[in-house]
Amino acid sequence: AQSVSQHNHHVILSEAASLELGCNYSYGGTVNLFWYVQYPGQHLQLLLKYFSGDPLVKGIKGFEAEFIKSKFSFNLRKPSVQWSDTAEYFCAVNAGRAAGNKLTFGGGTRVLVKP
Amino acid sequence: GAGVSQSPSNKVTEKGKDVELRCDPISGHTALYWYRQRLGQGLEFLIYFQGNSAPDKSGLPSDRFSAERTGESVSTLTIQRTQQEDSAVYLCASSPGQYTGELFFGEGSRLTVL
Repeated sequence: AQSVSQHNHHVILSEAASLELGCNYSYGGTVNLFWYVQYPGQHLQLLLKYFSGDPLVKGIKGFEAEFIKSKFSFNLRKPSVQWSDTAEYFCAVNAGRAAGNKLTFGGGTRVLVKP
Repeated sequence: GAGVSQSPSNKVTEKGKDVELRCDPISGHTALYWYRQRLGQGLEFLIYFQGNSAPDKSGLPSDRFSAERTGESVSTLTIQRTQQEDSAVYLCASSPGQYTGELFFGEGSRLTVL
């Protein structure tokens, strides 16, 4: 069974700082990769996803993520954060069509951006 | 409605009581998922429906947990004889029949077992 680990549980940074959140997964087959975000008081929503092709994917709000197959990683980045990026971020893996749309999530990283 | 709707949003119950949580998926979405999120932890998969059948219920933690879905629409998650460790936010998500990989989440039902 696949598993997902996120290295940081909490990140605190100032506005305009750069952000990188680590995500590693364990699964031997082809995977689809996702980052979801949960802003305070809101439901989980998709930030970006990788299925195939260019391993550097761009999502909403200036976020991007890079899939490095050899490292089983899918790290999330943003060059310059804003206070509104304060949220909890979840990495997730799907093992392809056989799994339906079932996602396995990491433990989440809480990001606090200080104004 | 436009999104996934869950009820109740908050439920406080006494240990040993049964609870029922409801999920209304986005209209036309044939797949429905239940996840659990305990305080400070990630999302834990419980069960997945495709239409009215549940091809994957591997995440249900015990036989006190059950779920059903009728008419490719509403789903209910039932927890019998609740225990304190059942306290969590229960999240429902739905997705279209075709494979997209994207789940649309509701806002969750927060369950507190005293």
